[in-house]
Amino acid sequence: SQQGEEDPQALSIQEGENATMNCSYKTSINNLQWYRQNSGRGLVHLILIRSNEREKHSGRLRVTLDTSKKSSSLLITASRAADTASYFCATERVGSARQLTFGSGTQLTVLP
Amino acid sequence: NAGVTQTPKFRVLKTGQSMTLLCAQDMNHEYMYWYRQDPGMGLRLIHYSVGEGTTAKGEVPDGYNVSRLKKQNFLLGLESAAPSQTSVYFCASSYSSDRVRRAGELFFGEGSRLTVL
Repeated sequence: SQQGEEDPQALSIQEGENATMNCSYKTSINNLQWYRQNSGRGLVHLILIRSNEREKHSGRLRVTLDTSKKSSSLLITASRAADTASYFCATERVGSARQLTFGSGTQLTVLP
Repeated sequence: NAGVTQTPKFRVLKTGQSMTLLCAQDMNHEYMYWYRQDPGMGLRLIHYSVGEGTTAKGEVPDGYNVSRLKKQNFLLGLESAAPSQTSVYFCASSYSSDRVRRAGELFFGEGSRLTVL
């Protein structure tokens, strides 16, 4: 079963706009991570936020985590055509050996 | 560093045939994983290993076997392939320690695309 569920499933925006993706999960976690996957390629780690953190920034990425609501959001500011990809949230559950459970992903298309 | 390397990248099998996917990592990671990715379902964990000589079942282990005879290698075997195993397979690895700079992060290979006819 999927631990994380992303919303929306697909998002299309213009270059320069901000993109927001949301993730909900079900169980207690050690951390939540976001990954990016370009078409036909492997997943690349973007950012990790620990369960005791509420917000984290990395370049144009901003991640928030609300453990009371079991949800997270990924904001990409000033999007570029090169940001077009699938984005996945993944949770490391408490007691797991770094096993990540992935959501089904958000397909982001940034139009030039 | 090559990171995580998967071979082969593409393979077509007939139902009932067997094959092995090889994953190699050069980062001295303790943990290694095999995931499968199907359309609209994200990634699902098949098997994982927390160290040389150890393996454990993930979410969808049926029909697969794994071995980790060397720390840098993690093999995924299909003994009798079925059409339901048509998928893209990803290997990943990570550090076990929380004290390294990229603790918790999984490093992925580029995937192995398997079609079972």
